[in-house]
Amino acid sequence: SQTIHQWPATLVQPVGSPLSLECTVEGTSNPNLYWYRQAAGRGLQLLFYSVGIGQISSEVPQNLSASRPQDRQFILSSKKLLLSDSGFYLCAWSPGGLSEAFFGQGTRLTVV
Amino acid sequence: AQSVSQHNHHVILSEAASLELGCNYSYGGTVNLFWYVQYPGQHLQLLLKYFSGDPLVKGIKGFEAEFIKSKFSFNLRKPSVQWSDTAEYFCAVHGSSNTGKLIFGQGTTLQVKP
Repeated sequence: SQTIHQWPATLVQPVGSPLSLECTVEGTSNPNLYWYRQAAGRGLQLLFYSVGIGQISSEVPQNLSASRPQDRQFILSSKKLLLSDSGFYLCAWSPGGLSEAFFGQGTRLTVV
Repeated sequence: AQSVSQHNHHVILSEAASLELGCNYSYGGTVNLFWYVQYPGQHLQLLLKYFSGDPLVKGIKGFEAEFIKSKFSFNLRKPSVQWSDTAEYFCAVHGSSNTGKLIFGQGTTLQVKP
């Protein structure tokens, strides 16, 4: 069966520091991969999605970037965090096409 | 552009009351539609989905949703809610020409009073 791993679960980082959140999927190949940010009252905001290695689509201009160095690995990064980057970040995968997505447990990021 | 709108942000019901949560989407082509639920402290999980065929789809825990193409709507319903249905509910849409792009609505927080 397929599983998704996202880490860390919580993270406290100072303003101006770099960020790297990692997400990996097991038990499938060539999945679609997603990064969302969840904020109260704003739902799930799609940040990035990828339909293949090296293929990244960015939805919201911001201080973040994403990379997919391997088929089942998706990384969310920032060179310098801002206070406004605080939030709950969710990684997800889908089998491709127009299928449903399956979510990780999320990372609570607090920028101080 | 592809978008999803959920009309109710916070709904409070008593147990046994009927539930209907609105969801409208904006997209001109073929869509797949989803409802997700997030119980307190848990991760998002799929409640039900519409791909094609019968526009009335049934999901887990007695939930159902109706796809009305002419109204671009996919409302979630449950005849009788329980306290355990307290959660946040998200509608999502996947458009045929944007393969890979899964867009979610703002979410609706449902509070069921015992």
